[in-house]
Amino acid sequence: QVQLVESGGGVVQPGGSLRLSCAASGFKFNNYGIHWVRQAPGKGLEWVAFIRYDGSLKYYADSVKGRFTISRDNSKNMLYLQMNSLRAEDTAMYYCAKISGGWYYIDYWGQGTLVTVSS
Amino acid sequence: DIQLTQSPSFLSASVGDRVTITCRASQGISSYLAWYQQKPGKAPKLLIYDGSTLQSGVPSRFSGSASGTEFTLTISSLQPEDFATYYCQQLNGSPFIFGPGTKVDIK
Repeated sequence: QVQLVESGGGVVQPGGSLRLSCAASGFKFNNYGIHWVRQAPGKGLEWVAFIRYDGSLKYYADSVKGRFTISRDNSKNMLYLQMNSLRAEDTAMYYCAKISGGWYYIDYWGQGTLVTVSS
Repeated sequence: DIQLTQSPSFLSASVGDRVTITCRASQGISSYLAWYQQKPGKAPKLLIYDGSTLQSGVPSRFSGSASGTEFTLTISSLQPEDFATYYCQQLNGSPFIFGPGTKVDIK
């Protein structure tokens, strides 16, 4: 069965960095694009970034462009989100989510990892 | 960038009610719209994609429709497990934004 397991969240000071990881299993990882989506406490969903199946295409939300970098290692079935210059408003649960194939729709989500930016 | 609005933002309904949620895009997105259901403390779940295609395993009481830039999610007969927050998402192109959500609560 499809599994996506995020890790790497925690408490970090404003201006700091954090690297999130997402371990994928149960499907051919190198065939699917993956999104990062976040949700601030008590708030709605916010799309963060997307990476194509082969890593050749990446998209970012304006709110994270220039600060966050999405990447993947298909040999390890791993997805990453490098987050730099973190701000209080980046505090959220971060989900990795695979597309269904064909188009960008998300059919499976991980359970999320919590990032808290606070001094 | 495309903006999505959802209405209502909150609705109170009873088991058995027919419920309709609307998502409007600020510009054309073809049919590239998805609907997700999220329950507290859980990851979202895909209900509808391509505006009106039911995701495998989703009960048939859920349906989606589209007319221009207006998309509708309908629950034909609300069940106890349907009380949740519903989000639309446009996937016509980046940024793949979500609507602000509609919380469906028990009357």
